[in-house]
This record gives sequence, structure tokens and C-alpha cells, in this order.
Amino acid sequence: EAQVTQNPRYLITVTGKKLTVTCSQNMNHEYMSWYRQDPGLGLRQIYYSMNVEVTDKGDVPEGYKVSRKEKRNFPLILESPSPNQTSLYFCASSFGASGGYEQYFGPGTRLTVT
Amino acid sequence: GENVEQHPSTLSVQEGDSAVIKCTYSDSASNYFPWYKQELGKRPQLIIDIRSNVGEKKDQRIAVTLNKTAKHFSLHITETQPEDSAVYFCAASRAGTALIFGKGTTLSVSS
Repeated sequence: EAQVTQNPRYLITVTGKKLTVTCSQNMNHEYMSWYRQDPGLGLRQIYYSMNVEVTDKGDVPEGYKVSRKEKRNFPLILESPSPNQTSLYFCASSFGASGGYEQYFGPGTRLTVT
Repeated sequence: GENVEQHPSTLSVQEGDSAVIKCTYSDSASNYFPWYKQELGKRPQLIIDIRSNVGEKKDQRIAVTLNKTAKHFSLHITETQPEDSAVYFCAASRAGTALIFGKGTTLSVSS
């Protein structure tokens, strides 16, 4: 089954404790991206990648890191999480090497930083 | 960079009425305009998209129109049903760039 998976789905952590949210797709998609969703602010892009070893900042990259060592995986790293990073996070992938194609979203990761 | 404005932020209609959501974009080179629907507790999913070489596209009860001169595009839902209740996001992008989303419209359809 073609899908985008994220883990964990729910996470409660404390300020400063490094964490990684994994994202994997099995559709051989070129483009992958991370979004955070907050009430009233919509989907804001954190980072995106148009291919292996190619990553670019989105609208809200501060406090986040990403890597794209393999085509299928695009982990999101929070080196020192803070309470303002409490949010719902979505990973997405698409066929083309840009945002001009249907985005397939993962199920979301709800992160709470206390 | 691209900026996408979406209105209204909330929209309430009676079942059977039509609903219209409007978006404007800033980058005249943008050429791809999708609409996503997000039901409560679920992930966003594409419902319809349009490219800049087309002025209108329909799929059953939903349609999207694009005015490139004015740099705005709209989602039209006819004969609304309670299952149309969701958050709708518009987005825009051009070749080689990321997809930029609007802030979303919460549509409530009451029966």
C-alpha cells in the first residue's frame, strides 16, 4: 500500500531533550516536506527536500533540522525542543521535484513540549 | 517569495446551499493551485487542483476557478452536505519551488 508513515504519532517531552520524528514514504517520491499546523495559522512549512542531499528552509525553520540521506526517509530533528514547538506535525511527499504535484500527507505527529 | 491569502476563515452554510472560498496569491509566476480538505483529526487530502493554463475545473459538486490577471482562485462547492464540513486549504506554487498554503477555512454545513 502506497503511504507516508510518521513515528511517533504522539509524543510528550520536556524542554531541551533532543528528539527525532521519522518520516518514510514507499512511493519513490522526489519531494518531501515537513509542516507544522497550529490553530489559526494553517500549514506552515518547516523544511522541504527536492531530492537526496538537497534540503531547503521553509517559512519556520528555526529550531529544527532535517536530513535526506535516502530518498524514502526525511527525519525531523529538534535538537533542543521548547514549549513553542508544541504543535501538530505533518510530513508529506510528492512525485515531482517541486511543490507542483499532489502532496501525500502522513498521519501526523502531535508533539507536546513541557 | 509566494504569499497566499485565504478568505473567509470560517464559513457556515445550510445543507444544500453553495459555499465559496477565495484565495489570492502574490507570485505571478505561480502555476499550480491545489485545494486540500482536512476532516477533523485527519490528514489533509487533495480534492481538486488546477494549473495556470486552465481557467476552470469541475469534479462533481466541486469546482475551482482561476483568474491569473487578478491573481486569485476560488473553490466552489454546490449542494453542500454535512460531510463537506472540514477545514479547506488552498495553496500555490511555481516550477521548482515549494508549495505554499493559505491559513485555511473552516466550513460548517448544518442540516
